[in-house]
Amino acid sequence: GQQLNQSPQSMFIQEGEDVSMNCTSSSIFNTWLWYKQDPGEGPVLLIALYKAGELTSNGRLTAQFGITRKDSFLNISASIPSDVGIYFCAGGAGAGSYQLTFGKGTKLSVIP
Amino acid sequence: NAGVTQTPKFQVLKTGQSMTLQCAQDMNHNSMYWYRQDPGMGLRLIYYSASEGTTDKGEVPNGYNVSRLNKREFSLRLESAAPSQTSVYFCASSDFLKAFFGQGTRLTVV
Repeated sequence: GQQLNQSPQSMFIQEGEDVSMNCTSSSIFNTWLWYKQDPGEGPVLLIALYKAGELTSNGRLTAQFGITRKDSFLNISASIPSDVGIYFCAGGAGAGSYQLTFGKGTKLSVIP
Repeated sequence: NAGVTQTPKFQVLKTGQSMTLQCAQDMNHNSMYWYRQDPGMGLRLIYYSASEGTTDKGEVPNGYNVSRLNKREFSLRLESAAPSQTSVYFCASSDFLKAFFGQGTRLTVV
């Protein structure tokens, strides 16, 4: 089946730093989604992308749908302690498919 | 707004026991999903229902059954629980692939 490679697996950053993470696939996706999961909670949708090249922001978060449709990027600017959590990318093939394929997550730790 | 509600939140089963995980959504979404989450494995799709009256297998369906009771409710049944089914289970509903998740059910099979 389709697989998403998400990197890095984990990262430690200082409060105030910017963060970048990405997701790549060997398959084309028509939808890219980014989620954040706090401990003991379900994933929460951060950003949804529907067009190749699309750049969308949600506060300090910015995500891009890669031109090749095989990758997506998430940037967090000026990190704060509450950014701690696991970030997941998810891709949807579309064209009648109702399934999302998830990456294995990037665990973010913020050092105050 | 309740969103997606899962019950129970925690459950311990003995090997061979059966149970049903319940899920209900109040967002009028057509599609609903069941995922399991294991450490280092991300979220893996067990079953999904594209619309009321239809269900399809996902990536890891073995050992599970589902029922789309109506548009709001989608249940997951373990007929004979096994230790390999120890996991956190998430239900989700979606609007144009934008999936919204419940808070999860933490299941331990001993």
